[in-house]
Amino acid sequence: KAGVTQTPRYLIKTRGQQVTLSCSPISGHRSVSWYQQTPGQGLQFLFEYFSETQRNKGNFPGRFSGRQFSNSRSEMNVSTLELGDSALYLCASSLDADGYTFGSGTRLTVV
Amino acid sequence: QKEVEQNSGPLSVPEGAIASLNCTYSDRGSQSFFWYRQYSGKSPELIMSIYSNGDKEDGRFTAQLNKASQYVSLLIRDSQPSDSATYLCAVKASAAGNKLTFGGGTRVLVKP
Repeated sequence: KAGVTQTPRYLIKTRGQQVTLSCSPISGHRSVSWYQQTPGQGLQFLFEYFSETQRNKGNFPGRFSGRQFSNSRSEMNVSTLELGDSALYLCASSLDADGYTFGSGTRLTVV
Repeated sequence: QKEVEQNSGPLSVPEGAIASLNCTYSDRGSQSFFWYRQYSGKSPELIMSIYSNGDKEDGRFTAQLNKASQYVSLLIRDSQPSDSATYLCAVKASAAGNKLTFGGGTRVLVKP
């Protein structure tokens, strides 16, 4: 059974640019959550989508947005990138709130 | 006060010993509790989930939950060098949605 697939694995962007990250959940999983992991702040919740609707949102600025498609695939977008946005972005999918499986992550470096 | 707190470690244990990891949380409405293991450069991997007070065992791992004390722990028996990793405690507080709040993680070093 395929796991959670995140693309791309690595990204280097310049300040002020925007970026789109993609996540394909485990087949049948309808809940997709996004997290940001940095050495200083640890793992922080960005948002969660369920059946194409944003169900929860963390304390991040509006530059961070996301969406979910009818096939449960999800994208997150960060606009006007700042140096502090450099992080590992993790996507997690869940079938029924028991057991959240993480993808390998996208490591974003903003220069 | 952080919502989910863990000792950052490192927790150094000899091979074959028991590693004991602790986690406290602030939201009394928390319902679900998870332990993740994260190797350096890798993504978190779920190793245990617990929902009710008491102990839950899975192989060499035992999770313990005490909601009255707002405390959850993880025991790793017969620790192996391959258990060396950062262990993350995660709490699901809301009845709606799947938001997890993570502790900062405890780094465990198992010495042969």
